[in-house]
Amino acid sequence: AQRVTQPEKLLSVFKGAPVELKCNYSYSGSPELFWYVQYSRQRLQLLLRHISRESIKGFTADLNKGETSFHLKKPFAQEEDSAMYYCALRITQGGSEKLVFGKGMKLTVNP
Amino acid sequence: GAGVSQSPSNKVTEKGKDVELRCDPISGHTALYWYRQSLGQGLEFLIYFQGNSAPDKSGLPSDRFSAERTGGSVSTLTIQRTQQEDSAVYLCASTLQAGANEQYFGPGTRLTVT
Repeated sequence: AQRVTQPEKLLSVFKGAPVELKCNYSYSGSPELFWYVQYSRQRLQLLLRHISRESIKGFTADLNKGETSFHLKKPFAQEEDSAMYYCALRITQGGSEKLVFGKGMKLTVNP
Repeated sequence: GAGVSQSPSNKVTEKGKDVELRCDPISGHTALYWYRQSLGQGLEFLIYFQGNSAPDKSGLPSDRFSAERTGGSVSTLTIQRTQQEDSAVYLCASTLQAGANEQYFGPGTRLTVT
């Protein structure tokens, strides 16, 4: 079964603290993973994707196939990082494609 | 340039009525997706359109749901005989082509069935 699990619904930290948003996936094929973010009153947008191995807004995520994880990390959280974060797995099958999302996690960074 | 737009932004309807939700993708984007965001359920895939190919309707939850895409651009999601469990935010996304790395999302339509 194709599944993305974000085990924590809420995370609250103080500014400057490290954050790690966990994501685990289940997929028999070669995984393509993404993190999407939704800031308050804004639309859902791509934060980063595993294939580009980039750091965006100080966030990084490493695909660990052995642990089937794609955790999102930032060493020093900022107040503007407060948002809903969704981990997503792209499924390509029979000419179709879709994103399978986790249920999301709300990050609150306090001053 | 203009992003994905959706209308209406909010829709309140009575149980049993039909509703139509509209999505205008980014110009030139050939792939279009509908998702549903229910409270506590995250985002669920509903349907995928790619060019002139037959759509993937595997995510539609019941035969009360249907969608079409006219002229390879605008898409309409129709829900017939709405039920309270249909209450959700319906999101549309588009990409330049199949396999593109980023889906661009619209602002969503919040549907409330009373």
